[in-house]
Amino acid sequence: GAVVSQHPSWVICKSGTSVKIECRSLDFQATTMFWYRQFPKQSLMLMATSNEGSKATYEQGVEKDKFLINHASLTLSTLTVTSAHPEDSSFYICSARDPRTGGSPLHFGNGTRLTVT
Amino acid sequence: KQEVTQIPAALSVPEGENLVLNCSFTDSAIYNLQWFRQDPGKGLTSLLLIQSSQREQTSGRLNASLDKSSGRSTLYIAASQPGDSATYLCASNTGKLIFGQGTTLQVKP
Repeated sequence: GAVVSQHPSWVICKSGTSVKIECRSLDFQATTMFWYRQFPKQSLMLMATSNEGSKATYEQGVEKDKFLINHASLTLSTLTVTSAHPEDSSFYICSARDPRTGGSPLHFGNGTRLTVT
Repeated sequence: KQEVTQIPAALSVPEGENLVLNCSFTDSAIYNLQWFRQDPGKGLTSLLLIQSSQREQTSGRLNASLDKSSGRSTLYIAASQPGDSATYLCASNTGKLIFGQGTTLQVKP
């Protein structure tokens, strides 16, 4: 079955630094990937849609200059949290659309727990 | 704007009970609806996907139904087990997945 790998699974960084999270589709080419954020005891909120070879589409209220998304290849999308602050501490999850199955269901990574101190 | 609501927010049942989790959505123009399971601190496990043209899907002890016209879906879990304890999320697909808040289930031995 389709597998999405997300790395790192957890990261602790100091306030003001930047953190990069990778999302890879291991056995399929994903032209579209999605990035979600989940605060404790809350549901997943879509941050942005990442399209290979073009700019990401951000949801309302998500700062594109703070959350940089790059989808330079068909198997890799990255999310960089720039100048991280404690309020950015959250669980970040990516998902990828497998074109072989018409894009459904979406396949999810295991998430990245970001803690900003 | 699509809104997805799940009721109840939390549920605690003794082992062996059958239970129903509810999901409602405001925009019926969906491609499909998915149910996921999330264990604490973990990612998502896809349980069932119902296409907009379908009424229900079954996998083992799980049965999910979809009534698109009324904007509702239910997840039925038969003969619940302690291992079923987790948060269950529904998500509607209108081109992108919009998630409900989840139902946190505890099955007590």
